[in-house]
Amino acid sequence: AAGVIQSPRHLIKEKRETATLKCYPIPRHDTVYWYQQGPGQDPQFLISFYEKMQSDKGSIPDRFSAQQFSDYHSELNMSSLELGDSALYFCASSLRGGDYGYTFGSGTRLTVV
Amino acid sequence: QKEVEQNSGPLSVPEGAIASLNCTYSDRGSQSFFWYRQYSGKSPELIMFIYSNGDKEDGRFTAQLNKASQYVSLLIRDSQPSDSATYLCAVNSQGGNKLVFGAGTILRVKS
Repeated sequence: AAGVIQSPRHLIKEKRETATLKCYPIPRHDTVYWYQQGPGQDPQFLISFYEKMQSDKGSIPDRFSAQQFSDYHSELNMSSLELGDSALYFCASSLRGGDYGYTFGSGTRLTVV
Repeated sequence: QKEVEQNSGPLSVPEGAIASLNCTYSDRGSQSFFWYRQYSGKSPELIMFIYSNGDKEDGRFTAQLNKASQYVSLLIRDSQPSDSATYLCAVNSQGGNKLVFGAGTILRVKS
């Protein structure tokens, strides 16, 4: 079965650079979520989209932005990167409401040096 | 206070024993509850979900929900070393726009 596809798997950036993470949800899933997970921490909700519109916003810095496109894939854009942005970034998808849970992608490991 | 609370562990059980993982949540309006398993450096994997008070069984896993006590648990029977992982309790917020995770409980199954 198709899963949530994230790219790239690993990314190394320098401070103050920009990064773009991509997410392709499971076909027919209309909602995409972005989470950030630091070492030894639980996943922290960043932002979600339903039918290409932002549906909820969590602890996402102003330096970050995201959008969902007409084909339902989503991109997380991160600018002015800081060392503290180093983390695993997960994308998840679900049908509206997420009643059956979210399916997570394999994640992008971002390292800021 | 976090919206979802879990004991961080580690919880150590011998192989073949029952592992009991617990979680409490603060939002009384929450409607759906999930248990995810996460191996180090990997993505969370859905194990169980439950909506109604009582027990729900799936193979070696049983989820238990008590909405009055705002408590959800996961029992793992016949624990195996491969069950060693971090178990994340997650609650779907009212409106269903996001899952809120607990800090996770580290489970170690010793052979």
